[in-house]
Amino acid sequence: GAGVSQSPSNKVTEKGKDVELRCDPISGHTALYWYRQSLGQGLEFLIYFQGNSAPDKSGLPSDRFSAERTGGSVSTLTIQRTQQEDSAVYLCASSSDSSSYNEQFFGPGTRLTVL
Amino acid sequence: AQSVAQPEDQVNVAEGNPLTVKCTYSVSGNPYLFWYVQYPNRGLQFLLKYITGDNLVKGSYGFEAEFNKSQTSFHLKKPSALVSDSALYFCAVTEYDKIIFGKGTRLHILP
Repeated sequence: GAGVSQSPSNKVTEKGKDVELRCDPISGHTALYWYRQSLGQGLEFLIYFQGNSAPDKSGLPSDRFSAERTGGSVSTLTIQRTQQEDSAVYLCASSSDSSSYNEQFFGPGTRLTVL
Repeated sequence: AQSVAQPEDQVNVAEGNPLTVKCTYSVSGNPYLFWYVQYPNRGLQFLLKYITGDNLVKGSYGFEAEFNKSQTSFHLKKPSALVSDSALYFCAVTEYDKIIFGKGTRLHILP
């Protein structure tokens, strides 16, 4: 079956522009996560969705970042007024549910470069 | 608060030798522990996990990890390294509903 897909694979934008990153989770997975991976750093948790529950937004670094998940499937991460420090690889992952013992399945990531 | 540490940024091992990638954790309760691997220009892949039971956990590609509660460690091991094992390895811990990843250890297998 298909894994987690993300688009675009690469995005170059100018400082101050808005960007949208898309994630298609594995079909049937109710939990969806967004992470940010900067060079030399580990994975920074951003936000997660579990079914129809309110998302956990505790990892979003500023109010320029937002995410939504439509119909319990596809998710979009939006970064408004991008800054150079937003440059990173943004990873999406899904799991069958948000139980702590379930492994996550990751997409290939979107590499964002803010000039 | 839970945390996880990978004390080595990089590990170099000769092909055919055993390898160990270290991970220690801190939680207030019982941990769930994971290892993930990231090959170049790829997303993370799940390798193995410890939930409960046998302290020695076997995973994909011949890797295994040993849960040591007294030392709060979960080191990743493989008896004989392959050049294709060269990648970035992440240890992770969950306690409640959050997963925390280590900063990663880059493993270089030298031919």
